[in-house]
Amino acid sequence: QVQLQQSGPGLVKPSQTLSLTCDISGDSVSSNSAAWNWIRQSPSRGLEWLGRTYYRSKWYNDYAVSLKSRIIITPDTSHNQVFLHLNSVTPDDTAMYFCVRALWGTSGWFFDYWGQGTLVTVSA
Amino acid sequence: DIVMTQTPLSLSVTPGQPASISCKSTQSLLHSDGKTYLYWYLQKPGQSPRLLIYGVSSRFSGVPDRFSGSGSGTDFTLKISRVEAEDVGVYYCMQGIQLPYTFGQGTKLEIK
Repeated sequence: QVQLQQSGPGLVKPSQTLSLTCDISGDSVSSNSAAWNWIRQSPSRGLEWLGRTYYRSKWYNDYAVSLKSRIIITPDTSHNQVFLHLNSVTPDDTAMYFCVRALWGTSGWFFDYWGQGTLVTVSA
Repeated sequence: DIVMTQTPLSLSVTPGQPASISCKSTQSLLHSDGKTYLYWYLQKPGQSPRLLIYGVSSRFSGVPDRFSGSGSGTDFTLKISRVEAEDVGVYYCMQGIQLPYTFGQGTKLEIK
């Protein structure tokens, strides 16, 4: 059974960096069939895919173009974790953030396990 | 980006009655590999979304057979044959053919 346990601050000041951790159990961050995604949800934007990291003999990353200059998603193989860093945040980045596993199957990537969500508020 | 549009945005259904949600995409979700990358998720109150349907019509593990998906190209439908109280929540369609993956705005299902 895969479990994704998220942690990180619930309040971040404008212009600072939002950093969240996703602890993975029941799978490996280096899995050859999984990708580790971050998705956020807000009333104004709905569900928004932010980016992913995955390992296929080497590490790959994909990011939403709108965030590409501000976002980094990194794995930690020693602790089986994945991190989200979003810098220069504004109140518009206020949202519930989810760590999500995507599995490659016969119908492409599908998001089968979600973390519990972390509500992050950007405010002074 | 591919825009996903769902209708209706809300639905109130009597238990035992059917329900249907439409999802339209601005581009075809049929890949050159012959597969169609359309998914349905349900987010129950206070919970994270969970996968219901993948590849247009395949039910994910543990999903009751009262849920069915259909469609092709740019037009898709999620049907619940007989709504139960536990089906309340917000339903989202999602496209997985092109980055960034994008979701519909959601359809809120309530029980009458």
